[in-house]
Amino acid sequence: GAGVSQSPSNKVTEKGKDVELRCDPISGHTALYWYRQSLGQGLEFLIYFQGNSAPDKSGLPSDRFSAERTGGSVSTLTIQRTQQEDSAVYLCASSFRDSYNSPLHFGNGTRLTVT
Amino acid sequence: GDSVTQMEGPVTLSEEAFLTINCTYTATGYPSLFWYVQYPGEGLQLLLKATKADDKGSNKGFEATYRKETTSFHLEKGSVQVSDSAVYFCALIGDDMRFGAGTRLTVKP
Repeated sequence: GAGVSQSPSNKVTEKGKDVELRCDPISGHTALYWYRQSLGQGLEFLIYFQGNSAPDKSGLPSDRFSAERTGGSVSTLTIQRTQQEDSAVYLCASSFRDSYNSPLHFGNGTRLTVT
Repeated sequence: GDSVTQMEGPVTLSEEAFLTINCTYTATGYPSLFWYVQYPGEGLQLLLKATKADDKGSNKGFEATYRKETTSFHLEKGSVQVSDSAVYFCALIGDDMRFGAGTRLTVKP
């Protein structure tokens, strides 16, 4: 079946512009996660959704970052007034969070470049 | 809170060498432990997992044993190949979900 789908795969934007990144999780997965991977760095947790609610927003780096999830499915990560330090690969993952042992399934990410 | 610490890279090995990538964790409960792999230009993939103490996860010649007494989940492979070149992430799922910083492995022919 289809895996986690992210779009666009690449995005180049000018500093100060807003961007929207989309994630389509695997059908039936209730949990959805956003991570960021900067060049040479490990994964940085951004936000976690269980259904449509976000019990853990602790990783959002600033108030320029926001995310929503509708219908328990598609999620959008929005970055307002982008800065060069926002350049990174943004990864989305989903899982059956109800299962304690459920691993994450990752998309291929969106590579964001802020010029 | 829960955390994962894995050895820093990069790691460079010759083909057929033995690989160990260390991973230790702290957790308040009894987490499940995972290794993920990211090949060049691709997304993360689950490599193997272990859900309770003394479990051994294995896949593609890689192994890791869940050691509760040492809070470790070291990744090993007896004979690496060039195609194993990738970034490897240790992760836990417990009360929280945490990833290690990743270890880049390069295998030279």
